[in-house]
Amino acid sequence: QQPVQSPQAVILREGEDAVINCSSSKALYSVHWYRQKHGEAPVFLMILLKGGEQKGHEKISASFNEKKQQSSLYLTASQLSYSGTYFCGTRPQGGSEKLVFGKGTKLTVNP
Amino acid sequence: GAGVSQTPSNKVTEKGKYVELRCDPISGHTALYWYRQSLGQGPEFLIYFQGTGAADDSGLPNDRFFAVRPEGSVSTLKIQRTERGDSAVYLCASSGGTSGSFDTQYFGPGTRLTVL
Repeated sequence: QQPVQSPQAVILREGEDAVINCSSSKALYSVHWYRQKHGEAPVFLMILLKGGEQKGHEKISASFNEKKQQSSLYLTASQLSYSGTYFCGTRPQGGSEKLVFGKGTKLTVNP
Repeated sequence: GAGVSQTPSNKVTEKGKYVELRCDPISGHTALYWYRQSLGQGPEFLIYFQGTGAADDSGLPNDRFFAVRPEGSVSTLKIQRTERGDSAVYLCASSGGTSGSFDTQYFGPGTRLTVL
């Protein structure tokens, strides 16, 4: 039931792009993306609902393929502040409002 | 406005003791969630309240864990007879505000529980 995130880790130089994928075995109602820095709370980035996609930030966007039960997070022209662990949280169709989170993707952006 | 707050930020206890962790959600949020996060893992769902009632407690690992939200605002997670395996960061989130996406869950800073 836990969504699978890939890659597990990625290292970028400032200004480079990255894609983080999230795949579920269940039909999904929504996908929620968070970024967490070490020792801090997860910070909400965006939510993608069944039937659409929502862009939360200027250089961070995401897509949601309902048929494939997959979502991808796109980070363009990465900044040092993008470093952290990215989690996708999935809400299955017909389920309660709880989120099931993946294991995370650790992103490191170097100067 | 203020975000989700949790107290204490750190709690160290001995095996077998009882602990209470408190969560103060964003004002006006009707839904409140408890998650547990172990090192290197994503948050793991424990229980979800809609108002005062537990709408989904399927994530509570056993009957040593219990949570209440008597007035539909502040919630307390209670752990009896703590075990070393209970050591983790306990995160609280709330949703259901009047602005933004209704479904968005906003997390608090967490309580780091260490059971010796």
